[in-house]
Amino acid sequence: QLQLQESGPGLVKPSETLSLTCTVSGGSITSSSYYWGWIRQPPGKGLEWIGTIYYSESTYYNPSLKSRVNISLDTSKSQFSLKLSSVTAADTAVYYCARLMAGRAARPKNFDYWGQGTLVTVSS
Amino acid sequence: QSALTQPRSVSGSPGQSVTISCTGTSGDVAGYIYVSWYQHHPGKAPQLIIYDVSQRPSGVPHRFSGSKSGNTASLTISGLQAEDEADYYCCSYAGSYTLVFGGGTKLTVL
Repeated sequence: QLQLQESGPGLVKPSETLSLTCTVSGGSITSSSYYWGWIRQPPGKGLEWIGTIYYSESTYYNPSLKSRVNISLDTSKSQFSLKLSSVTAADTAVYYCARLMAGRAARPKNFDYWGQGTLVTVSS
Repeated sequence: QSALTQPRSVSGSPGQSVTISCTGTSGDVAGYIYVSWYQHHPGKAPQLIIYDVSQRPSGVPHRFSGSKSGNTASLTISGLQAEDEADYYCCSYAGSYTLVFGGGTKLTVL
């Protein structure tokens, strides 16, 4: 059974960089059948797609966050990571990592496994 | 890239059916078959209940069904049960390897 687990600081100061890691167990992180992604949910709001990374390390980001986001893959540790720079209080959210299935033409199509989520608060 | 439009809330009594709509554009919902739906109980991880517009993952009850017409996708839950009370989100491929979620719909079982 595939499992994903987010880890990282729960408190980040404004203007600093938020860094989270997702550890994948029970499956391969290098399969061409899947992407790996980050999603967040601010308090009282809906889900927002942040970005995804393919096994080839190609990355795709939400246009509204693109200038501040970086997602990377560490296949040796079966992990992928999120960095979000210049954070503000608006970046306070529960952050989820998830696996996405790849469809025709390797398009990402749906999330099938999710981590439990981790709350990150941006505050001084 | 704007969020897909969902009603903020819907409700129904046990045994009834409810339908949740998800409206997008030609650049997302109308343009691709990659529309998915997620059930989210607060404090838990979201769960995939529909993918590719109308496909159910194994283990998801047949009470959950999906469809699409033009730029609007729909999730129908028939035979409502108390445990169906949750938030529901649609998600669509939006071109250029990007994705977009709906704003979410809170389902209340009366």
